[in-house]
Amino acid sequence: AQTVTQSQPEMSVQEAETVTLSCTYDTSESDYYLFWYKQPPSRQMILVIRQEAYKQQNATENRFSVNFQKAAKSFSLKISDSQLGDAAMYFCAVHSGTYKYIFGTGTRLKVLA
Amino acid sequence: NAGVTQTPKFQVLKTGQSMTLQCAQDMNHEYMSWYRQDPGMGLRLIHYSVGAGITDQGEVPNGYNVSRSTTEDFPLRLLSAAPSQTSVYFCASSRTGANQPQHFGDGTRLSIL
Repeated sequence: AQTVTQSQPEMSVQEAETVTLSCTYDTSESDYYLFWYKQPPSRQMILVIRQEAYKQQNATENRFSVNFQKAAKSFSLKISDSQLGDAAMYFCAVHSGTYKYIFGTGTRLKVLA
Repeated sequence: NAGVTQTPKFQVLKTGQSMTLQCAQDMNHEYMSWYRQDPGMGLRLIHYSVGAGITDQGEVPNGYNVSRSTTEDFPLRLLSAAPSQTSVYFCASSRTGANQPQHFGDGTRLSIL
């Protein structure tokens, strides 16, 4: 069975600072992908970034980057130069060829002005 | 672009009533799924489908039925609503393939009294 754990229910960051959200996972699949989704108060689910498990290079998307440690089964999200619009729930997810996405419980990020 | 359309956005039911949550996508995606989101529990998979005529159970299928008669539509039926089914429901779709991100609808907030 696949599991995803987000151990930080809530995080705060000062505007313009950097914050890292943690995610660990477990899967018996050899080929899988990892995702971070953002859910602002509007309730929409927005893809932030994805990582292919067979690639060692960490994915980056503008101010968002991941620290992917495959052996440790860790997939953290780093947000640089935090902005007020980054305030949201962030969900980590793992997806393999079984067609089932497994999501973590989420981390609520607050951005302080 | 319509993307994934869910209706209704809000619904209040009495215990024992039945209803259908509608989900439609216009991206010709093979994969569709239903999740429920509860505080502190992230998104949990209810049912999913990998194509017309094919459905399967997720983590929390009890009390829900689905069918997939067309590629575009994937309705979720509550046969006899219970207060434990009070939640926010999301429909999502994607192309098949482990690397494909999901596209989400805007969610339905359902309250069972």
